[in-house]
Amino acid sequence: KAGVTQTPRYLIKTRGQQVTLSCSPISGHRSVSWYQQTPGQGLQFLFEYFSETQRNKGNFPGRFSGRQFSNSRSEMNVSTLELGDSALYLCASSLGGEGNQPQHFGDGTRLSIL
Amino acid sequence: AQSVTQLGSHVSVSEGALVLLRCNYSSSVPPYLFWYVQYPNQGLQLLLKYTTGATLVKGINGFEAEFKKSETSFHLTKPSAHMSDAAEYFCAVSGQGFQKLVFGTGTRLLVSP
Repeated sequence: KAGVTQTPRYLIKTRGQQVTLSCSPISGHRSVSWYQQTPGQGLQFLFEYFSETQRNKGNFPGRFSGRQFSNSRSEMNVSTLELGDSALYLCASSLGGEGNQPQHFGDGTRLSIL
Repeated sequence: AQSVTQLGSHVSVSEGALVLLRCNYSSSVPPYLFWYVQYPNQGLQLLLKYTTGATLVKGINGFEAEFKKSETSFHLTKPSAHMSDAAEYFCAVSGQGFQKLVFGTGTRLLVSP
């Protein structure tokens, strides 16, 4: 069974640009969550989508947005990039439902802002 | 609000020694608890989870953790460390009805020969 796939693995952008990251969940998983990992702030929850609807949202500015398609694939968009957006962005999928369902993570997209 | 605290940003052990990584949680509702491991340039891999039932949970690679409600702890142990165990370990908590994981700050495990 294929795991969670994130593309691209590495990305370099400049301040003010926008970026779109993609995540393909494990087959049959309907929930997709996004996390940001930085040395200073650690792992922080961005948002979660379930059946194309955003169910939960973390404490991030509106520049961070996402969506989920009918096949459960998800994209995350960051507009007007700032230096502080440099991070590893991790996507995780699960069956959804209760919080006891374990989340399975992809290898992440490392975003560097110049 | 839920949170987890991992004591010790770095833990060093010798190969063959006991591994003990500490995690304490705070939750107003019965928590779901998880341990993940992260190797360099990779994502997070699930080691084990506690949801309900047996408080001693066995995971992959010989790791186990015990849920102790009275101590609000969920420490991760392994009887004998292996060089391949060197990585960063994260404890996480989620609540009922939510897919949001709240992570601890992580503990880097160093294993010396």
